Amino acid sequence: GENVEQHPSTLSVQEGDSAVIKCTYSDSASNYFPWYKQELGKRPQLIIDIRSNVGEKKDQRIAVTLNKTAKHFSLHITETQPEDSAVYFCAAVNSGYSTLTFGKGTMLLVSP
Amino acid sequence: GAVVSQHPSRVICKSGTSVKIECRSLDFQATTMFWYRQFPKQSLMLMATSNEGSKATYEQGVEKDKFLINHASLTLSTLTVTSAHPEDSSFYICSGRRGGQNEKLFFGSGTQLSVL
Repeated sequence: GENVEQHPSTLSVQEGDSAVIKCTYSDSASNYFPWYKQELGKRPQLIIDIRSNVGEKKDQRIAVTLNKTAKHFSLHITETQPEDSAVYFCAAVNSGYSTLTFGKGTMLLVSP
Repeated sequence: GAVVSQHPSRVICKSGTSVKIECRSLDFQATTMFWYRQFPKQSLMLMATSNEGSKATYEQGVEKDKFLINHASLTLSTLTVTSAHPEDSSFYICSGRRGGQNEKLFFGSGTQLSVL
């Protein structure tokens, strides 16, 4: 089955710095890679996603890159703000959602 | 955006009782509903996958007789924790898959279950 590794497990940055979270996956059939932000006790919120026919996608301060050959994808947050502090999960999904696997999460702490 | 409504948000029950959690997709048809449990500071652990009108597919180690899942319609799925015990205390969360060309997952708001 699919195996998704996510690093780092915790990440502390100063406000204004950039943050990068990396995930690798094992199943070459995975073709959709969403990223979720989860604040304590709340539902995960989709923040950005990328499909396997695209190498990079950007939405304001958030960007995601995908390297299909190496089977890894990364989340980049620029100009971090304290409200970015949360747990971020990556996921790898295949067509039809017959497999859906989450990474273990990264706790991001942005200090003022 | 699409919304999945999950109820109740919090439930406290006595050991041995059953608890039902509902998830409704409010503005889309959820062809597939996923159920997860999440322990504090841990990732989302998939428990089961249910397709409308079919029996749920359970992940290894999840007791299907204990965690009853019903997906009777494209907008409603329920998880019933039968004969709950303290070790079943956890955060349970559903997500509905919106199919189509731009298919995405949308999460419910979660249910914090505490079994005394």
